[in-house]
Amino acid sequence: KAGVTQTPRYLIKTRGQQVTLSCSPISGHRSVSWYQQTPGQGLQFLFEYFSETQRNKGNFPGRFSGRQFSNSRSEMNVSTLELGDSALYLCASMGEYEQFFGPGTRLTVL
Amino acid sequence: GQQLNQSPQSMFIQEGEDVSMNCTSSSIFNTWLWYKQDPGEGPVLLIALYKAGELTSNGRLTAQFGITRKDSFLNISASIPSDVGIYFCAGLMTNFGNEKLTFGTGTRLTIIP
Repeated sequence: KAGVTQTPRYLIKTRGQQVTLSCSPISGHRSVSWYQQTPGQGLQFLFEYFSETQRNKGNFPGRFSGRQFSNSRSEMNVSTLELGDSALYLCASMGEYEQFFGPGTRLTVL
Repeated sequence: GQQLNQSPQSMFIQEGEDVSMNCTSSSIFNTWLWYKQDPGEGPVLLIALYKAGELTSNGRLTAQFGITRKDSFLNISASIPSDVGIYFCAGLMTNFGNEKLTFGTGTRLTIIP
C-alpha cells in the first residue's frame, strides 16, 4: 500500500497571500487529520475530516480551513498568511487504531 | 490543545547506551503509539500497543502499555547513530467511533560522538 502523500513538499509565500496544501491518505482510510509543527511547539492539531465532514477541530483561527473529497483526499487552506504560519504542516490518515503521517509540507512565509 | 506529559524532554547519550523515555496522562487510553521523527520529515510509527500491560518489541525497541492505561514507556537498547531524532508518544481514545489522538511533547535524542 502506498503511504500518505502530501504536495507540495516545500512552499514559499509572502505575507497576506493564501495557500492550499494537499493530502492523499492511505487507500481505504477515511479519516484525515492535519497538524502544524513549529520548532519547540510539538504537534498542534488543526482539524480532522472523516467522510467529507469535519469531525474534530483544534484551536486555530478561522484563517485555517480544510475540506475532504469523496475519495478521502483532503486539502487545507490558510488565508492571509502571517509570518508565524511558517511551519511544517503534516497530514495523517487513520487506520483502525493507528495514525500514519505523510512527509509534510514545509511552508515558509516571508 | 491537550498534550501528554512526556519525559525527558531531551537526552544526550553515547552510542551503545540504552535509552528510556515515558509518557503519562491524567486520562486513560485504549491504544498507545510511539513515533520517531527525523528533521523535516513526518513522524514514522514505531510501535503500537493495544491493551493494558502489553509489552511489544520492534528490533532494539521495546514499549509497554501501563496497567493503569494512563502511561507508556519506550526503551531503546544499544543506541546507534540513526536513532537520533525526536520521539513522540500518542494516546488514542475511541468514543462511539470518534477517535481522538493526543500527542506527547516529544523527547529529543542526541548521540554524543
